[in-house]
Amino acid sequence: GAVVSQHPSRVICKSGTSVKIECRSLDFQATTMFWYRQFPKQSLMLMATSNEGSKATYEQGVEKDKFLINHASLTLSTLTVTSAHPEDSSFYICSARDPGGTEAFFGQGTRLTVV
Amino acid sequence: AQSVSQHNHHVILSEAASLELGCNYSYGGTVNLFWYVQYPGQHLQLLLKYFSGDPLVKGIKGFEAEFIKSKFSFNLRKPSVQWSDTAEYFCAPPQSLIFGKGTKLSVKP
Repeated sequence: GAVVSQHPSRVICKSGTSVKIECRSLDFQATTMFWYRQFPKQSLMLMATSNEGSKATYEQGVEKDKFLINHASLTLSTLTVTSAHPEDSSFYICSARDPGGTEAFFGQGTRLTVV
Repeated sequence: AQSVSQHNHHVILSEAASLELGCNYSYGGTVNLFWYVQYPGQHLQLLLKYFSGDPLVKGIKGFEAEFIKSKFSFNLRKPSVQWSDTAEYFCAPPQSLIFGKGTKLSVKP
């Protein structure tokens, strides 16, 4: 199947700094990518849908200015957690739809720890 | 809005037991549903998918799911589980990829 690569897999940052997470579709072009957050022992929560060349669509309750999403090319979407706080510590996962628009492929996730 | 719910949060089974995990959807129109699996320390991956046609869908590793429109359900089944099936299972419609809460399956050897 198609491959989605997410980088970094782990990051520790200081409170108040910003962190960028990259999501790349390695062998297909993804016009739509999704960003999720997963709390311990809980499900994936969709944060936003990233559309290439246009603004991301954020789910209710997700702060746009806090979680900046950029989808500048058909193979790369980035999530920047700005002015990170300890409560932003979580597991962030991206996914991208295949060109047929049906199956989604997931990145390996990024464990963010804000200290 | 499309939503799905999974009522079993944690299921513990012995090897060779039969498995059924519930997934209910609450939206109309065209219903497409996927089951994903996340093995410990690994990516989410697609287990099986339903778009239309035969309501009994077979997936990888001996899993199957049946779409029952009258019950708004798409339950995942496996006749005999193995220890290697220990994982978290998620149900989601492909259009929105909004997941159910997930069901953690623990299989005791």
